[in-house]
Amino acid sequence: EAGVVQSPRYKIIEKKQPVAFWCNPISGHNTLYWYLQNLGQGPELLIRYENEEAVDDSQLPKDRFSAERLKGVDSTLKIQPAELGDSAVYLCASSLGGLAGPGEELFFGEGSRLTVL
Amino acid sequence: KNEVEQSPQNLTAQEGEFITINCSYSVGISALHWLQQHPGGGIVSLFMLSSGKKKHGRLIATINIQEKHSSLHITASHPRDSAVYICAVGMDSNYQLIWGAGTKLIIKP
Repeated sequence: EAGVVQSPRYKIIEKKQPVAFWCNPISGHNTLYWYLQNLGQGPELLIRYENEEAVDDSQLPKDRFSAERLKGVDSTLKIQPAELGDSAVYLCASSLGGLAGPGEELFFGEGSRLTVL
Repeated sequence: KNEVEQSPQNLTAQEGEFITINCSYSVGISALHWLQQHPGGGIVSLFMLSSGKKKHGRLIATINIQEKHSSLHITASHPRDSAVYICAVGMDSNYQLIWGAGTKLIIKP
């Protein structure tokens, strides 16, 4: 069974440019998470989806970040315009979802490493 | 004080040694996760537990709910075990995961 797939693995852009990351969760997983991980730190939740609904986007900087999960499967995370401080690894994770809540096992993708010059 | 604290922050050991990484938390949890992250790599879930003990290969995870403490043990450590090991707790009240700062483990041949 394929795991969580993310692309691109690496992206280098200049500041003020837009960038988009794509995530394909494990088949059948209803819950999808986008995390941001700075070097040497733990992941920080940006947004959580239950199917196509964003149930928590309180940590998403909405002035420049946007996300969507059309049809409740794949998801994209966009930054426009990117700033120097956005350089980080963007991780996508998925879990079965439903009422299991935080007691569910998470499956992570390899991450997308963004460098903003 | 962080809600999830791991110790040690860094650990260097020789191949074959028995490794213990500790995690203490201060909130009510529904489950505790141990995860592994290799340099430049994604995060892999090792264990999810809410009580007792789990074993997978050379890895053992234990949790004491009363003491709010969990340990991850690696027996017969190997250089390929070198990675960052992260403890994360799922809170009772919501879906949020609170992450520890991670323990960087280096196993020397």
